Amino acid sequence: GQNIDQPTEMTATEGAIVQINCTYQTSGFNGLFWYQQHAGEAPTFLSYNVLDGLEEKGRFSSFLSRSKGYSYLLLKELQMKDSASYLCAVRPGANNLFFGTGTRLTVIP
Amino acid sequence: DAMVIQNPRYQVTQFGKPVTLSCSQTLNHNVMYWYQQKSSQAPKLLFHYYDKDFNNEADTPDNFQSRRPNTSFCFLDIRSPGLGDAAMYLCATEEGGLKFNEQFFGPGTRLTVL
Repeated sequence: GQNIDQPTEMTATEGAIVQINCTYQTSGFNGLFWYQQHAGEAPTFLSYNVLDGLEEKGRFSSFLSRSKGYSYLLLKELQMKDSASYLCAVRPGANNLFFGTGTRLTVIP
Repeated sequence: DAMVIQNPRYQVTQFGKPVTLSCSQTLNHNVMYWYQQKSSQAPKLLFHYYDKDFNNEADTPDNFQSRRPNTSFCFLDIRSPGLGDAAMYLCATEEGGLKFNEQFFGPGTRLTVL
């Protein structure tokens, strides 16, 4: 079976850095994805990790440790528009994605 | 430019009345997915098509069916909607063949069951 754990909610200040953690247990592993989802909208892709280490993409970075079943998403220079849910998802097989329930991030002035 | 289009955006149906949700794509991707997302929950994969090959998730109820008449279109049929089927239904596409490919999501159809 599959299981993904993320904090339910987080709050951070505009301009700050926030780290959103994700732990997972899956029957197989073909990569870990992070998606952003604003309320009432579809998820949009942020990052993908399949090897251990850090992937950086502008203000967003994602880290993976396969041996620990652990990933985090790092958001720098937070902006108000970053208020959204952040979904960690694992690809256990060839074409499926298993999503966590997401972390609702609120950015305050 | 719209890439994954879902119609309608909002659908209201009555308990037990069949309903069809549609999804179309302009990306020519060979994989199409249907997810169900209830409020404050994770998107849950219902099934996906790899080209014409249909792949059903083990826990998807029989009440949910899907059709893919061609590469561009995919339909979700709910044969007898119950109150518990009220949710956002998300369609996504992906270019298959590689382990990593981004899934592109449509805007979703919010289904209300009265």
